[in-house]
This record gives sequence, C-alpha cells and structure tokens, in this order.
Amino acid sequence: GAVVSQHPSRVICKSGTSVKIECRSLDFQATTMFWYRQFPKKSLMLMATSNEGSKATYEQGVEKDKFLINHASLTLSTLTVTSAHPEDSSFYICSAALRGYTDTQYFGPGTRLTVL
Amino acid sequence: DAKTTQPTSMDCAEGRAANLPCNHSTISGNEYVYWYRQIHSQGPQYIIHGLKNNETNEMASLIITEDRKSSTLILPHATLRDTAVYYCIVRVADSNYQLIWGAGTKLIIKP
Repeated sequence: GAVVSQHPSRVICKSGTSVKIECRSLDFQATTMFWYRQFPKKSLMLMATSNEGSKATYEQGVEKDKFLINHASLTLSTLTVTSAHPEDSSFYICSAALRGYTDTQYFGPGTRLTVL
Repeated sequence: DAKTTQPTSMDCAEGRAANLPCNHSTISGNEYVYWYRQIHSQGPQYIIHGLKNNETNEMASLIITEDRKSSTLILPHATLRDTAVYYCIVRVADSNYQLIWGAGTKLIIKP
C-alpha cells in the first residue's frame, strides 16, 4: 500500500515552454502533498506544501508564479513549471502524507526535467 | 539544518547485516525517528519509523537507545539492491512538519 505515482517520469522541453507534472496517491487519500526538487548529488529541497482545496505554501526563495501548484482532489496534485529555463532543469519529486497517527510521507518516483 | 548526524559512507558485504547509525542528541520528546532511502535517480523510499520502542518490519529493524539520542537501522541480509543513500530524519509526527534532509549515508553493498 501507500503508492505514489508521478507522470511523466522524464520530460525534455524547450526554453520558454510550460511543463505540468502530476502526482497521484494511488491507494490512499492525501490531504497534504509536498513538492521537492533535487540537484545532482544534493539532498532534497522542499519547494512547497500543498493542501487539498487550498493554496499551496511555498518555501522561501521559491517563486510561486513560476511553480504553480494545484491540489484539486485528495489524490492528485500538479506542479506546473511556467516559462521554463535551463536553470529549472532538475529532478522533481512529490510526496503524499498518509493521514493517520504519524502522517508518514510516501514519495513518488520523481520526474527528470531537462530544459534546452 | 538537519538535526541528525550520519556517517558519510559505509560498505557492507552482500548477505551480511548492514548496521547504519544515526545520532540525534537534540531530539524532542514528540519527535519520531524516520528512515528513508534513495536509490540513484529514484524518489525516496520509506523504510521504517519509531518513537522510543524498537521497531521491525519486512524491510528493516530500528533500534533506538533508551535515551533516544541515537538509533541504528539494521538491514538483516543486505543485497546489492540495498545500495542507496540512507537518510535518518527526526520529525514531529504531523504532516504540517516537514522532513529535513541531511546528506545521509551512502551504503554500498559489495558482492
């Protein structure tokens, strides 16, 4: 149980285009989802916390107009990278909190974004 | 800043038990110890978590010292597929509290 999927797993796009990444909790409802990015050989960095039906909370230094997050249902959150540039190339990972006694986070497999 | 200290890297022979230590001397009474691992180019995988009692599941065992200032993750029979970066994280068990990721321990299982 507690499976989280992401789509797409890999995307290559041209500079200036927008890219949408989907994160789904497949076998549980997640009132809270999280978006991370990870650069090579670095640890995960939290970008934003997304609660179903409300606006996402962004970490300091993360541009909310560039990284649009929508959490429309208890099983789906999306991250849209708008007007992507090469510096946005990274590994994007989502997680979903299994609501319960300890709210354990389960992670998706990640999306590799390359902006040319 | 991460509130845990882990060795940068460790080696373990295939088939042997891998023991990964973690120091968390400033842990609060309401913080749990979580372990995740990340295999190259994949999302982190949840392994186990605990508060003060030792825990065991199908993947690993978690041994927490009585004073809760340190813990050890035990992979009982390591395989090559267990090669990964292992992260020890302390966190209040509430989704409003984020996971703070340190550098983790790079565990290499050798044949």
